[in-house]
Amino acid sequence: DIRMTQSPSSLSASVGDRVTITCRPSQSISKYLNWYQQKPGKAPKLLIYAASSLQSGVPSRFSGSGSGTDFTLTISSLQSEDFATYYCQQSYSNPRTFGQGTKVEIK
Amino acid sequence: EVQLVESGGGLVKPGGSLRLSCAASGFTFSNAWMSWVRQAPGKGLEWVGRIKSKTDGVTTDYAAPVKGRFTISRDDSKDTLYLQMNSLKTEDTAVYYCTTDDSSGWEYFDYWGQGMLVTVSS
Repeated sequence: DIRMTQSPSSLSASVGDRVTITCRPSQSISKYLNWYQQKPGKAPKLLIYAASSLQSGVPSRFSGSGSGTDFTLTISSLQSEDFATYYCQQSYSNPRTFGQGTKVEIK
Repeated sequence: EVQLVESGGGLVKPGGSLRLSCAASGFTFSNAWMSWVRQAPGKGLEWVGRIKSKTDGVTTDYAAPVKGRFTISRDDSKDTLYLQMNSLKTEDTAVYYCTTDDSSGWEYFDYWGQGMLVTVSS
C-alpha cells in the first residue's frame, strides 16, 4: 500500500495568511493526487484533483502543485471559512489511501 | 444537483451484519462508479471499496481490512448503492460515506453523502 504523509499535522494561522500543506507518498504516483477539505461533523469536499486541477466551485485561492513524491496544497489568503482539516489522497493504485490530515486552526 | 443520501446505520453487536443504502439523484447513476469511504471516530479517512458501472463490468475492489466480509452492490433501476457488512468487528465502528468515483482515469471522490454512523459494540 502507498503510505501518504502530510505535514504539518496541524498549524495555526491568521485570516489573510498564506498557508502551505505538504503531502509525500511513499512511492511515485505521477499526478494522481487529490485534496479534500473537511469541517467538523461534515463530509469531506473535493478541492483539487490530478494534483493541480481546481474542482468546479472551489475558490481560486486554493491551488495544488507537484508530481511524483512531492505535492503541495496552498491557500493564498486564508479566510475564516477555510479553518478545517485537509486530506491528501492518492488514486494511483488500490487501495486508495489518504494522508493523516492537517488541521488548520485559528491563531 | 447531485445528492447522495445514506441510510441503514446503527448499533450492531460484534459478529453481526448490517446493510447500508445510498440513494443517488441528480446524475446518471447507472454510468457512475461509486465508492464507500469510512472514518472512525476522531480518525482519518479510509477507503472501503468501489463498484464500477455495468458498462465497465460492475467490477468491485475492496480494502484489505474488509475484503471477504463486506460486499458492495448496486441497483441501477433504483439509483441505489449498497454496502453489506457481515462479521462486523469493533474496529468497523465509523461514519460511512458513499461517494461518486471519477471514472475518467483520475479516480477522485467528487461527491459525498452526509455519512451514516455504524457502531459495533456489545
